[in-house]
Amino acid sequence: DTEVTQTPKHLVMGMTNKKSLKCEQHMGHRAMYWYKQKAKKPPELMFVYSYEKLSINESVPSRFSPECPNSSLLNLHLHALQPEDSALYLCASSPPGGALNTEAFFGQGTRLTVV
Amino acid sequence: KQEVTQIPAALSVPEGENLVLNCSFTDSAIYNLQWFRQDPGKGLTSLLLIQSSQREQTSGRLNASLDKSSGRSTLYIAASQPGDSATYLCAVRVYDMRFGAGTRLTVKP
Repeated sequence: DTEVTQTPKHLVMGMTNKKSLKCEQHMGHRAMYWYKQKAKKPPELMFVYSYEKLSINESVPSRFSPECPNSSLLNLHLHALQPEDSALYLCASSPPGGALNTEAFFGQGTRLTVV
Repeated sequence: KQEVTQIPAALSVPEGENLVLNCSFTDSAIYNLQWFRQDPGKGLTSLLLIQSSQREQTSGRLNASLDKSSGRSTLYIAASQPGDSATYLCAVRVYDMRFGAGTRLTVKP
């Protein structure tokens, strides 16, 4: 199983809403990532979790709050977002950096629209 | 900070042509380099992974090479098909993955 599953596939939320994005993998990977991708741009790194601990936060606004409750699950909690936060949010997993065969696998993404 | 550049930004070719996509990076201290394909509005599909100690990897009609010392990788696609039309992204890996802006490929029937 080389699948990273993201839910929901699409999400429309108002600026006062609270919602969460979910990402799950069962490959035994201990590094998980959140990326944000705007139209016709490359993915931009938001957060990296290594062994369930936050290891990289790319100066992301606090209205985005990541959580890694266990080695298979990664959440992104959203609160008070702005229309410019509308984007495709991608989750990925891989063995931690430095390990052999560190191929990364991506989910299909959540298309988020903030109205 | 690692910078990743992909050339060309867009490419349109007739079906059957062999083509080369280029990726360059500024810091050679990488663990690996990975090539992805992305269809519009979709996630990323891994095509090839090259470890830092390797020179090339092949999968079907795809061949990727890596010259770490010069900070370059190429993705070679043989006998292109309309189904190859997509955006191709390269990413270099240390503790995270840094992406190039991608090459948007169109293969015309």
